[in-house]
Amino acid sequence: EAQVTQNPRYLITVTGKKLTVTCSQNMNHEYMSWYRQDPGLGLRQIYYSMNVEATDKGDVPEGYKVSRKEKRNFPLILESPSPNQTSLYFCASSPSSGRLRDNYGYTFGSGTRLTVV
Amino acid sequence: AQTVTQSQPEMSVQEAETVTLSCTYDTSESDYYLFWYKQPPSRQMILVIRQEAYKQQNATENRFSVNFQKAAKSFSLKISDSQLGDAAMYFCAYRSVQTSGSRLTFGEGTQLTVNP
Repeated sequence: EAQVTQNPRYLITVTGKKLTVTCSQNMNHEYMSWYRQDPGLGLRQIYYSMNVEATDKGDVPEGYKVSRKEKRNFPLILESPSPNQTSLYFCASSPSSGRLRDNYGYTFGSGTRLTVV
Repeated sequence: AQTVTQSQPEMSVQEAETVTLSCTYDTSESDYYLFWYKQPPSRQMILVIRQEAYKQQNATENRFSVNFQKAAKSFSLKISDSQLGDAAMYFCAYRSVQTSGSRLTFGEGTQLTVNP
C-alpha cells in the first residue's frame, strides 16, 4: 500500500530535550515536506526537500532541522524544543513533476501531536 | 507568493441540506491546481476534490462540487445532501504546476458541523 509513515503519533516532551519525528514514504517520491497545523492558521510549511541532499526552508523553519540522506526518509528534528512548538505536524510526499499523473499528488502521513511542556 | 484565504472559520448545516464553503486565492500564475481537503477528527488529510486551472469545467465528485471562478480567484466547495460523516475541518489548498512549485499552500480552514 502506498503510504507515508510518520512516527510517533503522540509525543509529550519537556523544553530543551531533543527529539526526532520520523517520516518514510514508499512511493519513490522526489518531493517531501513538513507542515505544522495550528488553529486559525491552517497548515504552514516548515521545510521541504526536492530530492536527496536537497532541502530548503519553508515559511516557519525556526527551531527545526531536517535531513534527506535517503529518498524515502525525511526526519524532522527539534534540537531544543520550546512550548511554542506545541502543534500538530504532518509529513507529506509528492512527485515533483509539474503535471500531476494521478488524482492525489500529495500523500500525507497520519500526523504527530507534539506537546512541549 | 501565493496566498489562500478561507473567511469562514466555522459553518453549520442541517443533515440532507446543502452548504457552500468559500475560498479565495491570490496568484500571478496562470496554470495551477486547487484542492479541497477534509480533515476528520482522526486527523487524516483526505483529498475531496481537485481542479486544474486550465479546465473551465467545474470538478464534481459525487455530492461534492466546486465553483471555480478563475478571474475572481475564487474556489468554493458545495456539499449536497450533507451527511453526519461530512463533519470535519475543510482546507482549501493551492499548488503550482511548475516543476519547482510542488508546494501546497493552505487556507486557514473551515470547521463544518452537520446537525442531525
